[in-house]
Amino acid sequence: DQQVKQNSPSLSVQEGRISILNCDYTNSMFDYFLWYKKYPAEGPTFLISISSIKDKNEDGRFTVFLNKSAKHLSLHIVPSQPGDSAVYFCAASATEGDDKIIFGKGTRLHILP
Amino acid sequence: DSGVTQTPKHLITATGQRVTLRCSPRSGDLSVYWYQQSLDQGLQFLIQYYNGEERAKGNILERFSAQQFPDLHSELNLSSLELGDSALYFCASGGGGAHYEQYFGPGTRLTVT
Repeated sequence: DQQVKQNSPSLSVQEGRISILNCDYTNSMFDYFLWYKKYPAEGPTFLISISSIKDKNEDGRFTVFLNKSAKHLSLHIVPSQPGDSAVYFCAASATEGDDKIIFGKGTRLHILP
Repeated sequence: DSGVTQTPKHLITATGQRVTLRCSPRSGDLSVYWYQQSLDQGLQFLIQYYNGEERAKGNILERFSAQQFPDLHSELNLSSLELGDSALYFCASGGGGAHYEQYFGPGTRLTVT
C-alpha cells in the first residue's frame, strides 16, 4: 500500500519555465512533508519541507504547496535551471507514532535547453 | 557533502552470502536510518536507530539486521542473500523526530550474482 504517490515518473520542462511536481498521500495522520532531490550516484539531499499547519512554504526558486483536503502537495520550481535536472522524491511523516519518513517513488525532472 | 559516510561504495557477492554495510552519521546526529532503493522503487525505509536503540522498523526482512554502536556508527547486516536483494542501500542521519530533515550518505550499491 503506497501511502505517498508520485504518479508522474518523469517530466520535461523548458529551461526558464516553471516545473511543477505533484505528490498525493493517503494517510491523514501525516503532518509533515518534505521534498528531496537526487542526482545520479549521490544520496538524496533535502530541498524543502512544509508543516500541515501551513499551506505554502517558499525558499528561493522553490515553493511547496499543501492542500490538506485533497491530500495533495506540489513543488514549484521557478525559473527552472539545467542543474534542476534530477529525481525528486516527495516524503511524509507523522508526529504521532515513530519517526518513519515515507517516500514516494520519485519523479525524474529533465530541464530542456 | 552531507557529512554521512558509507562503506563500501560497491559490493558484489554471490547468493547465500552475508555482507555488512557501514555508516557513519554526521557529527552530532544521534539517529541513523537505513533505506533500500531497488530498480523503479522509491526509498523503502528499513530501520532506524536512535542513540544506540532501535526506534522504528519498516519493511526489513528477517534476514537483515542492524545495530548502532556507542560511537553512533551503524552497520546493516544482510544474510542469505538473494538476487532480489540487489539494490542501493542508503544510510541517513538526523536529530531524530519526525520533523527533522535527514542527511543521506552516497549509498552502497549491492549486486548479488
